[in-house]
Amino acid sequence: DAKTTQPTSMDCAEGRAANLPCNHSTISGNEYVYWYRQIHSQGPQYIIHGLKNNETNEMASLIITEDRKSSTLILPHATLRDTAVYYCIATSQTSYDKVIFGPGTSLSVIP
Amino acid sequence: NAGVTQTPKFRVLKTGQSMTLLCAQDMNHEYMYWYRQDPGMGLRLIHYSVGEGTTAKGEVPDGYNVSRLKKQNFLLGLESAAPSQTSVYFCASSGHTGEKLFFGSGTQLSVL
Repeated sequence: DAKTTQPTSMDCAEGRAANLPCNHSTISGNEYVYWYRQIHSQGPQYIIHGLKNNETNEMASLIITEDRKSSTLILPHATLRDTAVYYCIATSQTSYDKVIFGPGTSLSVIP
Repeated sequence: NAGVTQTPKFRVLKTGQSMTLLCAQDMNHEYMYWYRQDPGMGLRLIHYSVGEGTTAKGEVPDGYNVSRLKKQNFLLGLESAAPSQTSVYFCASSGHTGEKLFFGSGTQLSVL
């Protein structure tokens, strides 16, 4: 699996868009980018994933650069409930049984 | 639909004691995983299973054993607990390789 790099922490004002970056410069062609988040001490929760096209669902949008070396998770209107640790993972569908979570980005949404 | 259920939620052990953590999923998933999470760190994979009757080592398997006798259950055992195994343990499952993971709510284990 490709190594991912994320900022340790970020702040975002409530109601504003939260843009969380992830660098995965060694990603290979068959590796997907997955995002999960972990609120306080709960189990991680899946948010979104993509291969090369931008993706959107009811929770967030995922923007992947054309060269696929980085991506951005966008929470369009952050709320206090979005305060969490966000994990970016790059993994292929043939090695998903070995997916490894790094330390992630701790997002604080500020009133 | 309960999803992934872990029992117990909390446990305190003395060094050398043994225990088993149970993970149960009701989604008919093939893949199941055990992770541990230590303060300030991400999740580290202990063991995983790609189907009933199969298990494999992950990133940090030492000191743990697992069994998958039934498709819906994945057990994590500590034969002789050590203080270094104090951690929060998460179980997860997925339908097939490449699909998203569903996580349980975790088990907080303290070994004194």
